[in-house]
Amino acid sequence: GAVVSQHPSRVICKSGTSVKIECRSLDFQATTMFWYRQFPKQSLMLMATSNEGSKATYEQGVEKDKFLINHASLTLSTLTVTSAHPEDSSFYICSVPGLGLKETQYFGPGTRLLVL
Amino acid sequence: GENVEQHPSTLSVQEGDSAVIKCTYSDSASNYFPWYKQELGKGPQLIIDIRSNVGEKKDQRIAVTLNKTAKHFSLHITETQPEDSAVYFCAANGGGSYIPTFGRGTSLIVHP
Repeated sequence: GAVVSQHPSRVICKSGTSVKIECRSLDFQATTMFWYRQFPKQSLMLMATSNEGSKATYEQGVEKDKFLINHASLTLSTLTVTSAHPEDSSFYICSVPGLGLKETQYFGPGTRLLVL
Repeated sequence: GENVEQHPSTLSVQEGDSAVIKCTYSDSASNYFPWYKQELGKGPQLIIDIRSNVGEKKDQRIAVTLNKTAKHFSLHITETQPEDSAVYFCAANGGGSYIPTFGRGTSLIVHP
């Protein structure tokens, strides 16, 4: 499988500030990464597909200007929550498709965001 | 698009018992069915998967069965242990898509 890391693991911020979350693929290059959001006791909701060298593809209902995604290299994608509000508090998880068998998703450990 | 239903939402068993979680899907083009285990505060971890050309797959205490005709697949855990307690998600990938559609999850509680 793939090893995926996220940083930070948890963050607390004030309302109105911006928060950056990093997702790294540690053992192979990934031209595509995915960002999910998960509210308590709910399933994973795909937010966007991060594409190396091009714009991210956002799911319906996800504001691209609020959730900025940058796939700066083949091993790093970042998600920036801009002007965060309490309703943005959630568990954010990235995933990387498997090498070869791309249907298999390998998830990072997640980032817990709390906006006060 | 694909729709995945998962039951039950909560499953409580005694240590040593078996646990079964069932999922149905809607898109007949779906051909890849992974199962993920998510422990509290962690990201989901792939535990087993099955492709549409196979009816059953086993890995030690875990097995998955697939009925393509009925469009349902199930996760079977035998000899459950307290460390099996977690939320389990089924998913289905349709027609070569990299993006899975997830079920709503099953919270499995194994009592010692």
